Amino acid sequence: QPVLTQPTSLSASPGASARFTCTLRSGINVGASRIYWYQQKPGSLPRYLLRYRSDSDKQQGSGVPSRFSGSKDASTNAGLLLISGLQSEDEADYYCGIWYSNTWVFGGGTKLTVL
Amino acid sequence: EVQLVESGGGLVQPGGSLRLSCTASGFTFSNYNMNWVRQAPGKGLDWVSYISSDSSTIYYADSVKGRFTISRDNAKNSLYLQMNSLRAEDTAVYFCAREPSGELDYWGQGTLVTVSS
Repeated sequence: QPVLTQPTSLSASPGASARFTCTLRSGINVGASRIYWYQQKPGSLPRYLLRYRSDSDKQQGSGVPSRFSGSKDASTNAGLLLISGLQSEDEADYYCGIWYSNTWVFGGGTKLTVL
Repeated sequence: EVQLVESGGGLVQPGGSLRLSCTASGFTFSNYNMNWVRQAPGKGLDWVSYISSDSSTIYYADSVKGRFTISRDNAKNSLYLQMNSLRAEDTAVYFCAREPSGELDYWGQGTLVTVSS
């Protein structure tokens, strides 16, 4: 079972909201994990979006709009990336990552299509 | 402005070696931990290695342990990745990324490494 699991794709309409999930492997507690989110547009380098562990332990990346936010779902042991007011420019791949056992681990990424 | 510029990629035969460099500017390089992350064509992000600001702590992914060596020269604002015994599965764009306090906040544009005969 992978350390982090992300759905491969997500579709949403302009102006709507998108909810990305990053499910942690059983035994890794989302409540104790800082989850990092990155955006990568086609042909471009990854961009750091934000970090979330709790409402008191979170960080927004430099220049990242407030419509990008983090959260968690303890019931499913998943970290969440929420994007409100979707724009066509948000179309990209989104990766979650954690520092685990002295290694960086990334999820497989979710491709967002805005249509 | 923070800039990270990778170089040294190219075409190499299986079993060959290559040395990647990442030149930093716009910040005090010696204050930051650094990472190498790679991305195979059409695939996701795959972490390779980490080095602390003073080189005292180094980690590797299992897939490259014993074959790759990360290093840095703070006087030259440079990060390196020596890659030996290269395999086809090492084919990827290699990014260097800055790590101030957990997050990988700045990434370079990447350099393409192709391992093929």
